Amino acid sequence: DTGVSQNPRHKITKRGQNVTFRCDPISEHNRLYWYRQTLGQGPEFLTYFQNEAQLEKSRLLSDRFSAERPKGSFSTLEIQRTEQGDSAMYLCASSFSPNNQPQHFGDGTRLSIL
Amino acid sequence: DQQVKQNSPSLSVQEGRISILNCDYTNSMFDYFLWYKKYPAEGPTFLISISSIKDKNEDGRFTVFLNKSAKHLSLHIVPSQPGDSAVYFCAATAGSNYKLTFGKGTLLTVNP
Repeated sequence: DTGVSQNPRHKITKRGQNVTFRCDPISEHNRLYWYRQTLGQGPEFLTYFQNEAQLEKSRLLSDRFSAERPKGSFSTLEIQRTEQGDSAMYLCASSFSPNNQPQHFGDGTRLSIL
Repeated sequence: DQQVKQNSPSLSVQEGRISILNCDYTNSMFDYFLWYKKYPAEGPTFLISISSIKDKNEDGRFTVFLNKSAKHLSLHIVPSQPGDSAVYFCAATAGSNYKLTFGKGTLLTVNP
């Protein structure tokens, strides 16, 4: 069990640029989640995959955000035309079904918009 | 609308004493509750959980208590150690609604 891996750990970009983050979940976990955390807040749910199917998207996820999990393994989160308000820590988590299994988090990607 | 509330932003205790972290929730559909610990520059680490069919769950120095009628849960750490100093998040989920709803966290400082 190597844990959830996220890359890059830190991304600095100019406003208006596109960014892409990657998450590699724990290998036997079929569920993968993305959360966003801003200063002084707890993580907020963004989206969720079961295998390769994206089953729910939060209203926090505007149309500039897109997430994929093409083969039910790793996932990518892309933000197009970044804005100042996108600056946050983006956390990925994975878990094994059925329900009531704890989600295990990666160390996150910190996005800073200049 | 904050469905999970941690009303104490910080807590300071002496090494060896008990730490009690509190959490309140408003959504009566929540039926699974978790505590996570977070160190700076790391992701949240799962500590302990409890299902709504129980009122207590224990794992070593960590015990979680759930009072469904009061919509309140607490995490007890006994004895507290300096390495326990971190931000603690309470989280909840509802049935097959897998997504976690987090509180804002409580910063615990354990003084040697």
